[in-house]
Amino acid sequence: QKEVEQNSGPLSVPEGAIASLNCTYSDRGSQSFFWYRQYSGKSPELIMFIYSNGDKEDGRFTAQLNKASQYVSLLIRDSQPSDSATYLCAVNGGGGADGLTFGKGTHLIIQP
Amino acid sequence: GAGVSQTPSNKVTEKGKYVELRCDPISGHTALYWYRQSLGQGPEFLIYFQGTGAADDSGLPNDRFFAVRPEGSVSTLKIQRTERGDSAVYLCASSPKPGGDYNEQFFGPGTRLTVL
Repeated sequence: QKEVEQNSGPLSVPEGAIASLNCTYSDRGSQSFFWYRQYSGKSPELIMFIYSNGDKEDGRFTAQLNKASQYVSLLIRDSQPSDSATYLCAVNGGGGADGLTFGKGTHLIIQP
Repeated sequence: GAGVSQTPSNKVTEKGKYVELRCDPISGHTALYWYRQSLGQGPEFLIYFQGTGAADDSGLPNDRFFAVRPEGSVSTLKIQRTERGDSAVYLCASSPKPGGDYNEQFFGPGTRLTVL
């Protein structure tokens, strides 16, 4: 049974600070990792993906992957109130299993 | 360009009825996925199509659920004899990749199904 674990939060961060979101996964065969942002009542929006160990930066977002520790994180720099949302971590099992396994999401609140 | 579209946006039905949910993927995307999301949970994988065929239907909860994609584009998720536990948001996603590990998936707005 593939599992993806996230702290449900809420995680409260002051505006302008760095928000750090964490995710662990159980399937060592997982190959690709995704972060989705979901506003209340809306569908998930892809914001980052990472396939290789290390860091990947895109604007204010940095995804970090450590396959040995089965750990993936998302950093949001200069947090804005508009970043307040639920952040979903998703993992692709690889080996032809293309459906994503999602965590329950972390509710992030950016306090003005 | 246009994103993934889903119809209807909301569907209310009575227990025991049959429903069909439609998904129109991003033009040119060969892979199509169905998920469902309950309140407070992440999306749960149901089925994956590569072209016209269901490449992986391991997430379908039981034989009341069925999905088709007859021409490799639009897909319909069909639920027979609906139960109150089927109430959820049904999400469709598409991917430009022909399958494999690196498949960024883009979601539609979802269909909120309520079974009374």
